[in-house]
Amino acid sequence: GQNIDQPTEMTATEGAIVQINCTYQTSGFNGLFWYQQHAGEAPTFLSYNVLDGLEEKGRFSSFLSRSKGYSYLLLKELQMKDSASYLCAVLGGSYIPTFGRGTSLIVHP
Amino acid sequence: NAGVTQTPKFRVLKTGQSMTLLCAQDMNHEYMYWYRQDPGMGLRLIHYSVGEGTTAKGEVPDGYNVSRLKKQNFLLGLESAAPSQTSVYFCASSYSSRGGANTYNEQFFGPGTRLTVL
Repeated sequence: GQNIDQPTEMTATEGAIVQINCTYQTSGFNGLFWYQQHAGEAPTFLSYNVLDGLEEKGRFSSFLSRSKGYSYLLLKELQMKDSASYLCAVLGGSYIPTFGRGTSLIVHP
Repeated sequence: NAGVTQTPKFRVLKTGQSMTLLCAQDMNHEYMYWYRQDPGMGLRLIHYSVGEGTTAKGEVPDGYNVSRLKKQNFLLGLESAAPSQTSVYFCASSYSSRGGANTYNEQFFGPGTRLTVL
């Protein structure tokens, strides 16, 4: 089976940096996704990691350590529009993604 | 390119009624999925399909059936709706596990169907 843990909720200030963690235990590993989901909308793809290290995409970066079963999503220069849920999803041995419960990020002025 | 579309967007059912949710994608994706999303529970996989004519059970399949008669369509059926099936339902699609050029095999989601069972 698979177990994926994320914090339920985080708050941060506009302009700051926030790190959202995701830990996982899976049978087999074929990559880890991060998705963003605004309230009332569908999730949209943010990043994918399959090798250890940091992947940077503009204000967003994602890190993976396969040996530790750990990933984080780093959001820099936070904007009000970054208030959303952030979903971690692991691609296990079956190549079918399993999602964590998501982290609700609240950005305040 | 419409991407992934879902019909209907909203529906209210009475306990015991049946309905079918339709998902369509125009990206020639092999894999299609049905999820339900409930507060505090994240996205839970109901059923999925790895190709036309194939379906498989996910994490929470009870009370649901699916069919994938055409590659671009994935139908989710509720034969006898129950209040516990009140949820937001998302369909998604992706390339195969082996991927294609310039793809991470990420999922593309439809806009969701908000279902209430009274």
